[in-house]
Amino acid sequence: NAGVTQTPKFRVLKTGQSMTLLCAQDMNHEYMYWYRQDPGMGLRLIHYSVGEGTTAKGEVPDGYNVSRLKKQNFLLGLESAAPSQTSVYFCASSYSKGLAKNNEQFFGPGTRLTVL
Amino acid sequence: GESVGLHLPTLSVQEGDNSIINCAYSNSASDYFIWYKQESGKGPQFIIDIRSNMDKRQGQRVTVLLNKTVKHLSLQIAATQPGDSAVYFCAENYYGNNRLAFGKGNQVVVIP
Repeated sequence: NAGVTQTPKFRVLKTGQSMTLLCAQDMNHEYMYWYRQDPGMGLRLIHYSVGEGTTAKGEVPDGYNVSRLKKQNFLLGLESAAPSQTSVYFCASSYSKGLAKNNEQFFGPGTRLTVL
Repeated sequence: GESVGLHLPTLSVQEGDNSIINCAYSNSASDYFIWYKQESGKGPQFIIDIRSNMDKRQGQRVTVLLNKTVKHLSLQIAATQPGDSAVYFCAENYYGNNRLAFGKGNQVVVIP
């Protein structure tokens, strides 16, 4: 199993450009999450999803949109990138129905985004 | 780019010694806690977890202690090795839907 994968690994954007970050998981997890991580700070939740076709706002949702059209994929979009969105973005997934131990989130390797 | 470890509390420990990393959590209703390890350039990796009905849990070389009275969590690493050098995050679950609230992290530097 590949676990959680993210593409791309690195990206540089100019202010105002748009892009989509892709997260994929092969663990049949119900829940998926997008975080951003900035120097000296913990992970802050942007948006999350508790199932295919559903999304919800997290702690810092402004400037981002998400979609979960397929259970295994969770997309994070930046419609008009700003320098404040320069960060490392992590995707995570959790929860398989029927398992007793289910709270752990599994993380991808991250996408480093720079907005000039 | 900057390392995630910049500006974080740092624990420097001699190789072979024990490490203790502390975390204060915020919500007395939290029912699940987890420690993650993050090496430079990588995503967070699960270390150990504990539910609120326990006060101690042991794994391989790691022990997590939970003190609900003062809302404190600690991670003990026995016989610290160079590969333990990383940023360690605690997280608590009180939102439901497996949402976790993360602490800011602690940098551990192992001195050979």
